[in-house]
Amino acid sequence: AQKVTQTQTSISVVEKTTVTMDCVYETRDSSYFLFWYKQTASGEIVFLIRQDSYKKENATVGHYSLNFQKPKSSIGLIITATQIEDSAVYFCAMRDMGYKLTFGTGTSLLVDP
Amino acid sequence: EAAVTQSPRNKVAVTGGKVTLSCNQTNNHNNMYWYRQDTGHGLRLIHYSYGAGSTEKGDIPDGYKASRPSQENFSLILELATPSQTSVYFCASGDHRGDTQYFGPGTRLLVL
Repeated sequence: AQKVTQTQTSISVVEKTTVTMDCVYETRDSSYFLFWYKQTASGEIVFLIRQDSYKKENATVGHYSLNFQKPKSSIGLIITATQIEDSAVYFCAMRDMGYKLTFGTGTSLLVDP
Repeated sequence: EAAVTQSPRNKVAVTGGKVTLSCNQTNNHNNMYWYRQDTGHGLRLIHYSYGAGSTEKGDIPDGYKASRPSQENFSLILELATPSQTSVYFCASGDHRGDTQYFGPGTRLLVL
């Protein structure tokens, strides 16, 4: 069975700095898809960025980028130039060749001015 | 990006009562999903659907039924609600190309 683990419960950073959130996963499939979502204070869940396992290049969208280390089954989320509005809970998720998405338990990010 | 809406946004139900949560998506996605979110558990999959007329059990289906009468609509049904089903429920839809899922705003359910 697939499993997604986020060990960082909460992180606090100063605005305009860079933060990295960790995520490790387990799967038996050779092909899979990795996602990061953000849940805002209002409860809204927003898709941020994804990495397909067969792609070697790390995905980048705006000020979000991924550090994909396939041999370590690791997919870290990097947020550069953090802003106050980046304060939220960030979820890592994985889908293997089935249709189910398995989520980690989330990392709470607080960006201080 | 998919537009996913849920109704109601908040619901108070009594133990033993029937509750129906509705979800609508307007981007013609084949796949739809129901999750619940609880502190300490993250998001857990209850039921999902590949298309109209299909429903599949997720990881925690006990006590829930699902219905997919059309491409756009996917309902979650609690026939006999229990206090343990108090939670926040999210609906999501996804396309079949790698299946990025897009989430609705959530429904807060309180079962007294």
